[in-house]
Amino acid sequence: EAQVTQNPRYLITVTGKKLTVTCSQNMNHEYMSWYRQDPGLGLRQIYYSMNVEVTDKGDVPEGYKVSRKEKRNFPLILESPSPNQTSLYFCASSSPDRETQYFGPGTRLLVL
Amino acid sequence: GNSVTQMEGPVTLSEEAFLTINCTYTATGYPSLFWYVQYPGEGLQLLLKATKADDKGSNKGFEATYRKETTSFHLEKGSVQVSDSAVYFCALRAGSARQLTFGSGTQLTVLP
Repeated sequence: EAQVTQNPRYLITVTGKKLTVTCSQNMNHEYMSWYRQDPGLGLRQIYYSMNVEVTDKGDVPEGYKVSRKEKRNFPLILESPSPNQTSLYFCASSSPDRETQYFGPGTRLLVL
Repeated sequence: GNSVTQMEGPVTLSEEAFLTINCTYTATGYPSLFWYVQYPGEGLQLLLKATKADDKGSNKGFEATYRKETTSFHLEKGSVQVSDSAVYFCALRAGSARQLTFGSGTQLTVLP
């Protein structure tokens, strides 16, 4: 089954404690991205990756890092989380024709 | 820049009512247009798409027509069901880019 998985699904942490949210896809897609979803703002892109070792900033990259060492994995790293990073995060991968993005189930993060 | 504007929610309808969710966009060139749906506790799923002017996307009884003259892509369904309760996002992809620009989302609740 084609899917994008994320872990953890829920996370409560404290300010400044580094965390990583993992993302994996089994469709051999080259393009992957991270979004955050906030009420009234829709989804905003944080970072994206065109392929292995190729990453770039999206619209709201401040406070986040990513890496792409393998095609299937695209982890999101928060080196020093702050309360304004409390949000719902989605990983996605894109079909080769660019017409469909496949989303993971989401990670709900609360930073105290 | 590119932007998508959706009608404000939430929208509450009775079962079998007619649904319209308005979506207008601003973009350079000829974007592809999408509706994504997010069921409670899940990630976004592609509902339908249209890639050029006057195209009609359709799926699961939902329809939307790409109107270049009014820069709109309104979502319609003739008879909604309780199972259609979800958040609906209008989105665009401009030119050869892979990044999606999302509207703020519209919460739909259908009552039995």
